[in-house]
Amino acid sequence: DTAVSQTPKYLVTQMGNDKSIKCEQNLGHDTMYWYKQDSKKFLKIMFSYNNKELIINETVPNRFSPKSPDKAHLNLHINSLELGDSAVYFCASSQDWGGSYEKLFFGSGTQLSVL
Amino acid sequence: DQQVKQNSPSLSVQEGRISILNCDYTNSMFDYFLWYKKYPAEGPTFLISISSIKDKNEDGRFTVFLNKSAKHLSLHIVPSQPGDSAVYFCAASGSGTYKYIFGTGTRLKVLA
Repeated sequence: DTAVSQTPKYLVTQMGNDKSIKCEQNLGHDTMYWYKQDSKKFLKIMFSYNNKELIINETVPNRFSPKSPDKAHLNLHINSLELGDSAVYFCASSQDWGGSYEKLFFGSGTQLSVL
Repeated sequence: DQQVKQNSPSLSVQEGRISILNCDYTNSMFDYFLWYKKYPAEGPTFLISISSIKDKNEDGRFTVFLNKSAKHLSLHIVPSQPGDSAVYFCAASGSGTYKYIFGTGTRLKVLA
């Protein structure tokens, strides 16, 4: 069983479309994250949820909206996709909201290509 | 603002030799550091960590060294194996930052 699973693995879409990426963790962790790896290979945090509550919201466009229906799931919805949104998006989870000292467990990533 | 830097994008090492991957940081508030390993089409996986109260941490073939005065850490892999071929990310955090800052990674290739 995959600890942190995200779907789809690949997503190719046209500019202006709306798309969602789903993430589920079966580790019993309280905190989940979305990270973006851009073309320069930087892995940057976008959002963090602890027990369904948003605790980190980096300077991400409003077109990106995370939703956590329960603490095992954190989905990412993106409206009006732009070329610059093309990247690999990683979901991650950690045991608790220990702030800076929790080990992250990552999903395998979603390669988003906006044409 | 690149607070965590991995200046070597790639490194090739012969099997059995030592691999040394370097990471520099600029924020003196960072006090916890991790190394992640990433294979193609997979997510990063945790490898080893070190807190600023230590200057060395070992786990099997992997050792991380921290030089706080130089704001530098390094990952040593001894002996290197072909299965170690992957991208290695350094990450740093500190009290009050509430997030990890990642470097851009170093691609290690271990030649058989």
